[in-house]
Amino acid sequence: GQQLNQSPQSMFIQEGEDVSMNCTSSSIFNTWLWYKQDPGEGPVLLIALYKAGELTSNGRLTAQFGITRKDSFLNISASIPSDVGIYFCAGQVGFTGGGNKLTFGTGTQLKVEL
Amino acid sequence: DADVTQTPRNRITKTGKRIMLECSQTKGHDRMYWYRQDPGLGLRLIYYSFDVKDINKGEISDGYSVSRQAQAKFSLSLESAIPNQTALYFCATSDPGRAGASGELFFGEGSRLTVL
Repeated sequence: GQQLNQSPQSMFIQEGEDVSMNCTSSSIFNTWLWYKQDPGEGPVLLIALYKAGELTSNGRLTAQFGITRKDSFLNISASIPSDVGIYFCAGQVGFTGGGNKLTFGTGTQLKVEL
Repeated sequence: DADVTQTPRNRITKTGKRIMLECSQTKGHDRMYWYRQDPGLGLRLIYYSFDVKDINKGEISDGYSVSRQAQAKFSLSLESAIPNQTALYFCATSDPGRAGASGELFFGEGSRLTVL
């Protein structure tokens, strides 16, 4: 099946630093999503992107839908301790549908040092 | 209270035992899913259901079965557990009618299963 590679696999950063992570695919996706999983919880949707080149923000988070439609990027500005968790990208070939059409990335684990 | 509730949250069992993980939701969504999370592998779909009469295999259904007892309930069973089924399992729901949020899943808190 399709694979989504996320990098880095893990990051250990200082509070206040900016964070960048990305997700690349061997196939084209028409929808990209970014989820965050807090420790001991299930993933929660952060940002959804529906158009190539789209740049969308949610507070300190900014995500971009790559022009080639094979990648996506997530940036976190001025990290704080509650940013700790695992960040997953997910791609969907179509514009509609449910979780059965999502391919999840391998995850980026973020740890923040005070 | 959580909208998507999984029980048990943690379970340790032995090889060959039958295990059932249960999921109930109060979101009123028709679509429900079971995922498995392993370190470095992300989330992989086991089974999904779009309504009470609909059951579909996902990417990794071998060794698992499911039952959709009602719109709000979706259970996952391991008929004869084996050690490589040790993982974190998530139930999720989605609402196809939610405009502008295609692909949004609502996850439970997870069930950690250890098979010895």
